[in-house]
Parts: sequence; C-alpha cells; structure tokens
Amino acid sequence: DIQMTQSPSSLSASVGDRVTITCQASQDISNYLSWYQQKSGKAPKLLIYDASNLETGVPSRFSGSGSGTDFTFTISSLQPEDIATYYCQQYDDLPPYSFGQGTKLEIK
Amino acid sequence: EVQLVESGGGLVQPGGSLRLSCAVSGFIFSNYVMHWVRQAPGKGLEYVSAISGDGGSTYYADSVKDRFTVSRDNSKNTLYLQMGSLRAEDMAVYYCVRDRCGGDCYWYFDLWGRGTLVTVSS
Repeated sequence: DIQMTQSPSSLSASVGDRVTITCQASQDISNYLSWYQQKSGKAPKLLIYDASNLETGVPSRFSGSGSGTDFTFTISSLQPEDIATYYCQQYDDLPPYSFGQGTKLEIK
Repeated sequence: EVQLVESGGGLVQPGGSLRLSCAVSGFIFSNYVMHWVRQAPGKGLEYVSAISGDGGSTYYADSVKDRFTVSRDNSKNTLYLQMGSLRAEDMAVYYCVRDRCGGDCYWYFDLWGRGTLVTVSS
C-alpha cells in the first residue's frame, strides 16, 4: 500500500503569510493527488485535484504542485477563514487509497 | 440539490454489528463510484471502502477487510456499509463520499456527506 507522509502536523502563521504544506508518497503516484480542507466539525472539502488543478469555486490563493513522490500545497496569503486542517490524498491505480496525517493550521 | 445523507450510526458493543446507510439525491447514483471514509475522534481521515457504480467491484482497507461489506441499491439511490466484529478502533464518524469520475474509474472525492458517528463501547 502507498503511504503518504504529510508535514508539518501543525502550523501557526499570521494573516497575509504564505503557507506551505508538503506531502510525500512512498512510491511514484504521478499527479494522482488531491488536497482537502476540513474545518472544525465539518466534512472535508475538495480544494485541489490532479496535484495542481483548482476545484471550481475555490479561491485562487490556494495552489498545488508536484508530481511523482513530492507534492506541495500553498496558500499565498493566509486569511482568517483558512483556519482548518488540510489533508493530502493519493488515488493512484485502484483503492484502497490513503491520506496524509493532516496539517492543522492556526492563526498566530 | 446534490445531497449525501448518512444514517445508522449509534452505540454498539465490541464484537457487535451495525449497518450504515447513505441516501443520495441530485445526481444519477448508478453512474458513480462511491466510497466510505472514516475519522476517529480527534484523528485524521482514514480510507475504508469503495464500490463501483454497478456494485460489481468492491475494495477495502486492510483494517476492515473481512469484517465490513460495502453494497448499494441503485433502485433506492442508497449506499450501505455493513460492519461486523466491531472493535474500539472502529469508533469514528463515517462519511459517505462520491467519486468525481462518474464512470468506471476511481479518482478523488468531490462530494461528502455530513457523516454518522459510530461508537463502540461496552
């Protein structure tokens, strides 16, 4: 099974900061990676798919990059409403799929 | 309106069984692969299971294989997860999730239900 290693596990940043989260796959997954945002008490929400494609309706301050085993998720200018936990997920080949451990983002 | 509504969660004793349901509306259910994802209290997301649009193919995480069974009734627009031999570590919110693909393919997750809580305790 493919393991996803996400870092950091938590992050504190100021409004307006650039924030970066990384996700590493245990084997080549091409660009079959998505990113989700989960706010407290809510279901996750799709932000990025195919490593770098922004889901419709998602603000352009969110972006993703990478391929193979190394991926990056970036918020270009942190907003108060971005406080959430973020997860990467791989969907290479067939299920079962796997998620990263999550990154809890807080405002400094 | 597109909706996924889970039900069937509750308190069950270790070793017991429970069946979760997910009623969907707003899209052609039979066209879509569906998944179950769970989240233990205060923990991260864990993949559970998937089922093809026609129900002919199913997939499971190792942690639930041989204990859980995913199924669907396309005539009722409903997804199911039959859970057996439940353990404390199965306690979680279970989410019903739609695959974006819309065909015989397995991609990422574009729609999530609100989840239903399963508590395993004596």
